[in-house]
Amino acid sequence: EPEVTQTPSHQVTQMGQEVILRCVPISNHLYFYWYRQILGQKVEFLVSFYNNEISEKSEIFDDQFSVERPDGSNFTLKIRSTKLEDSAMYFCASSIRTDTGELFFGEGSRLTVL
Amino acid sequence: AQSVTQLGSHVSVSEGALVLLRCNYSSSVPPYLFWYVQYPNQGLQLLLKYTSAATLVKGINGFEAEFKKSETSFHLTKPSAHMSDAAEYFCAVSDRGGGSQGNLIFGKGTKLSVKP
Repeated sequence: EPEVTQTPSHQVTQMGQEVILRCVPISNHLYFYWYRQILGQKVEFLVSFYNNEISEKSEIFDDQFSVERPDGSNFTLKIRSTKLEDSAMYFCASSIRTDTGELFFGEGSRLTVL
Repeated sequence: AQSVTQLGSHVSVSEGALVLLRCNYSSSVPPYLFWYVQYPNQGLQLLLKYTSAATLVKGINGFEAEFKKSETSFHLTKPSAHMSDAAEYFCAVSDRGGGSQGNLIFGKGTKLSVKP
């Protein structure tokens, strides 16, 4: 069964460092998303991406964040200069269309900022 | 703006007992509602969804949920819990409501434990 894969599963970084989280969405999906979950809190929407551009972003997704689809398969989330409060589980998701409600999520990448 | 409240961060049931996980929503438009499940060390998986058709929605693994507009609820139930149901369950609402999915707004999650 096709699945969304994310790497790394866990990354520890120092505050101020750049981090890139990688995702390989399901191959025929067109819409891509990043969500995050700070420990003990809700899963929060960060950004959605379609047709090689951001279609929507939340207030959390400030200038420190960027997304990219550098080739036909990867979808990356970059945090330019990490802060302690960026420590969270980051989930990538993809969907083939937007009206079914079915997002397929990856297993998540846990980011720990020290 | 849409929002979701899940009552109870942790629910524990015995194997074979009824599972009831509560979700209440707030939406200014007819909502799309979802339940996702996260098994340990796995991603979020869609259990079921309500998209304005039948109010009683059946999902995978014997779960179902009933949309009750008057109560603004979308509780998840399963008649008989199985050990393999132990997981975290997330209720979510589309931030568009109505015709397009928009982006999902999640509740805080309810961790279900099943005792033998």
